[in-house]
Amino acid sequence: KNQVEQSPQSLIILEGKNCTLQCNYTVSPFSNLRWYKQDTGRGPVSLTIMTFSENTKSNGRYTATLDADTKQSSLHITASQLSDSASYICVVSRDYKLSFGAGTTVTVRA
Amino acid sequence: DTAVSQTPKYLVTQMGNDKSIKCEQNLGHDTMYWYKQDSKKFLKIMFSYNNKELIINETVPNRFSPKSPDKAHLNLHINSLELGDSAVYFCASSQGPYTGELFFGEGSRLTVL
Repeated sequence: KNQVEQSPQSLIILEGKNCTLQCNYTVSPFSNLRWYKQDTGRGPVSLTIMTFSENTKSNGRYTATLDADTKQSSLHITASQLSDSASYICVVSRDYKLSFGAGTTVTVRA
Repeated sequence: DTAVSQTPKYLVTQMGNDKSIKCEQNLGHDTMYWYKQDSKKFLKIMFSYNNKELIINETVPNRFSPKSPDKAHLNLHINSLELGDSAVYFCASSQGPYTGELFFGEGSRLTVL
């Protein structure tokens, strides 16, 4: 079983609305947790990084939260734009091993 | 300047053929990787090199052979291509082995007919 599970698998939202993506992991302990954004036909790009002791980290309209007790992270997108349409991948790092989630595909419609 | 560049971007070939994908990074990183992304978008590590030395070799058929002539280059050669090899292959680099951010190339979409 994958050590990083993401939900939902996909979602569609209207431009201007907010959405929240979930990442549940079993990797423990871990070094850090990253969220990557992958545009269609491109490679993933790092959005945020969180260490074990951090609860929240923002990057513009993207806000990541981390609850190390429940082993959950979320990525909140505020006031979505068409350019937010992409896959968002949660990656958990432990020692020298990375565990990838399968990603959530977000489609923003005008 | 592109940080991690890989060529070709698209590759269409017949079963049984041999093909190569090249990757170069200009970030001065020590570690490079090859990932395979299947149709379900799941990224799976294949190989990792640190300063030209192989440090990760996941369960990959030996038809796949990576080669790192120097720490800025990591190539992937695939022999006797099979239908199941169709996927997008991503090259990536990081400052050290799984430390810090991964910088990905644009991907190489391989289609085996």
